[in-house]
Amino acid sequence: TQLLEQSPQFLSIQEGENLTVYCNSSSVFSSLQWYRQEPGEGPVLLVTVVTGGEVKKLKRLTFQFGDARKDSSLHITAAQPGDTGLYLCAGEHSGTYKYIFGTGTRLKVLA
Amino acid sequence: DTEVTQTPKHLVMGMTNKKSLKCEQHMGHRAMYWYKQKAKKPPELMFVYSYEKLSINESVPSRFSPECPNSSLLNLHLHALQPEDSALYLCASSSNYGYTFGSGTRLTVV
Repeated sequence: TQLLEQSPQFLSIQEGENLTVYCNSSSVFSSLQWYRQEPGEGPVLLVTVVTGGEVKKLKRLTFQFGDARKDSSLHITAAQPGDTGLYLCAGEHSGTYKYIFGTGTRLKVLA
Repeated sequence: DTEVTQTPKHLVMGMTNKKSLKCEQHMGHRAMYWYKQKAKKPPELMFVYSYEKLSINESVPSRFSPECPNSSLLNLHLHALQPEDSALYLCASSSNYGYTFGSGTRLTVV
């Protein structure tokens, strides 16, 4: 079973701080997604990256796909309480229709 | 319509009951999925349907039976479940850019 390891597992920070979440694997993925999930809801897609080295920005969130397409990072600038949630990366091996989820990072931003 | 709709939102069932979870999407996505999520864990893949055919079954016990009546609908039939099957069951559909998830069915088996 291919694994996607996320770090850190838990993160509690003050409003206004910056943070980075990592998603690492020994496997190559054709695409990688980041999701945020709030309690009792399904995960919501934030971004998809497909090209090695790709960087995408979504307001205060910056996503990077590793050059070898085995890892990714999510950087949040000036975190806000509304950023609180479970962040999940998910990778797909080419043509499998099978997305493997990372172990998850639970973020809490304190006001 | 850019949503995946799941019903019911909550379900409590006994171990001898038969129930069904329903999922619907009208985005034209040809791949649909069932995931199971336990508390504080990531979603775990159960089944994948591609073009209305079952393409992946992740060794799920036969007490879970998926069905895809057409390209917009996905059902999960439940029978003789165990208390450890209590979880959030998520349906998703996908395009080339990622999943769209439903809000899930919170299932409790008593």
